[in-house]
Amino acid sequence: NAGVTQTPKFQVLKTGQSMTLQCAQDMNHEYMSWYRQDPGMGLRLIHYSVGAGITDQGEVPNGYNVSRSTTEDFPLRLLSAAPSQTSVYFCASRLAQAPYEQYFGPGTRLTVT
Amino acid sequence: AQSVTQLDSQVPVFEEAPVELRCNYSSSVSVYLFWYVQYPNQGLQLLLKYLSGSTLVKGINGFEAEFNKSQTSFHLRKPSVHISDTAEYFCAVSRMFSGGYNKLIFGAGTRLAVHP
Repeated sequence: NAGVTQTPKFQVLKTGQSMTLQCAQDMNHEYMSWYRQDPGMGLRLIHYSVGAGITDQGEVPNGYNVSRSTTEDFPLRLLSAAPSQTSVYFCASRLAQAPYEQYFGPGTRLTVT
Repeated sequence: AQSVTQLDSQVPVFEEAPVELRCNYSSSVSVYLFWYVQYPNQGLQLLLKYLSGSTLVKGINGFEAEFNKSQTSFHLRKPSVHISDTAEYFCAVSRMFSGGYNKLIFGAGTRLAVHP
């Protein structure tokens, strides 16, 4: 198993550009989520999904869109990047019946200039 | 509302010395507590968790943590650290979110720096 994979590892965007951060898992996990990590703030939940076709907002959803067309993939879209979105983004997944066993991807470091 | 406070942003320690990373939480309901480790340029890895039962929880890499309900603490300890333990450590509490989803509330992190 590859576990949770994220692409790209690094990205630099200009303000106003759009992009999609990719996340995939091969563990057949129902639940997937996106977090952002900022210095001194830990990780904050952006969006999550409890299954294909079902998504919901987390703590800091503004400026981000998600969709879940398959169990494996959970892309995060930035429609118009802003410098405040400079962060490290982590994707995570888990089984529905194992709420306390969350697996994290390696992260995407995004810089918006 | 639940929150997590990690009392030290950085902890320098010499190799083979003991270390304690402090974590306090606030919650009015039963809690589930976690410690995650993040090595440089990597994702988060679960070190240990407390769900119920014994208040002393043992994790990977020789780490352990003690749940103290009266002091609302969940401090992480290791009796003898190695250079390879240099990483950032996050304390987290599980919280029920909308739709029945259990989300993790993370502390700000403690950077452990082990020196030779």
